[in-house]
Amino acid sequence: KAGVTQTPRYLIKTRGQQVTLSCSPISGHRSVSWYQQTPGQGLQFLFEYFSETQRNKGNFPGRFSGRQFSNSRSEMNVSTLELGDSALYLCASSARGGVEKLFFGSGTQLSVL
Amino acid sequence: AQKVTQAQTEISVVEKEDVTLDCVYETRDTTYYLFWYKQPPSGELVFLIRRNSFDEQNEISGRYSWNFQKSTSSFNFTITASQVVDSAVYFCAHESAGANSKLTFGKGITLSVRP
Repeated sequence: KAGVTQTPRYLIKTRGQQVTLSCSPISGHRSVSWYQQTPGQGLQFLFEYFSETQRNKGNFPGRFSGRQFSNSRSEMNVSTLELGDSALYLCASSARGGVEKLFFGSGTQLSVL
Repeated sequence: AQKVTQAQTEISVVEKEDVTLDCVYETRDTTYYLFWYKQPPSGELVFLIRRNSFDEQNEISGRYSWNFQKSTSSFNFTITASQVVDSAVYFCAHESAGANSKLTFGKGITLSVRP
């Protein structure tokens, strides 16, 4: 069974640009959640999608958005990038979400210059 | 709000030593879950264990063992006879049961096992 796949692996953008990150969950998993990891703030929850609906959201500004498609693949978008958005963005999937164990991808390392 | 504290930031041991990673949590919930994840250099977090708040039975799995004590709000993780491949960042996390639950992670502990 293929694991969680995130693309691209690395991304370099400049301030003010926007970026879209992609996540393909494990086959059969309907829940996808996103996390931001930085040296200062650690791992922080961004949002969770289940069956194309956002089920939960963390404390991030509206510049951070996401969506989930009917095949459970998910995208995360960040508009008007700021230097502080530089981080490793991790996607995780599970069958139903909630308090299940999560399967993580290797992440997308975003650098904002 | 939930909070997870991993007071140790970096631990370095020599191979075959035992090492304990500490985790203390704060919560007002009566039903919740605690997790440990491992993040090797490749980046992806790997699930190690999940315990619910009603199950304080300690667990041993191979070289790994976990000590959950509600009285002290701690969920510590011990690696026996550490190996170089155990080198990683270890995260403790908390999640409440119920709708709108989300995983709250500690800051992580970087474990280096030297040969």
